Amino acid sequence: KAGVTQTPRYLIKTRGQQVTLSCSPISGHRSVSWYQQTPGQGLQFLFEYFSETQRNKGNFPGRFSGRQFSNSRSEMNVSTLELGDSALYLCASSLLGGAPNNEQFFGPGTRLTVL
Amino acid sequence: DQQVKQNSPSLSVQEGRISILNCDYTNSMFDYFLWYKKYPAEGPTFLISISSIKDKNEDGRFTVFLNKSAKHLSLHIVPSQPGDSAVYFCAAAVAGGTSYGKLTFGQGTILTVHP
Repeated sequence: KAGVTQTPRYLIKTRGQQVTLSCSPISGHRSVSWYQQTPGQGLQFLFEYFSETQRNKGNFPGRFSGRQFSNSRSEMNVSTLELGDSALYLCASSLLGGAPNNEQFFGPGTRLTVL
Repeated sequence: DQQVKQNSPSLSVQEGRISILNCDYTNSMFDYFLWYKKYPAEGPTFLISISSIKDKNEDGRFTVFLNKSAKHLSLHIVPSQPGDSAVYFCAAAVAGGTSYGKLTFGQGTILTVHP
């Protein structure tokens, strides 16, 4: 079974631009969660999608948005990029998205650098 | 507000000995806990989990202990191997409700196992 894939793996953007990141979950997994990892804040939850609906959202500004398609693939978008958005963005998939016994499996991440 | 804390940024252990990684949490709503291992340039890899109805869960060399009254959990690795050298993250989740797909992570502990 293929794992979680994320594209692209690396991105360099300038302030003010927007970016779209993509995530393909493990086959059969319907829940996709997104996380931001930075040295200062660690791994922080952005949002979760299930059956094309956002069910949960973390404490991030509205510049961060996402969507999920009928095949469970998900995208996240960051508009008006700021220097502080430089981070590793991780996507994780699980069968249903709720604990217990619903471990999340992570992709390799997209390293975003904002100049 | 750090709801999940890993107070030891790093741990160094000799090959063959026991590694003990610790994690404390403050949110009494957490009822499912997970440990992940992360290598550089890769996403976190799921290791082991435990539900709050248990106080111990074993999987091969890995054992997780949960002390609910102390809001403390630990991961034991026995025997430690050089390939275990990585960053270990503790994560917590709330089952059900509206906390879909959200894991709250600690800051991580860098484990180094010396040959």
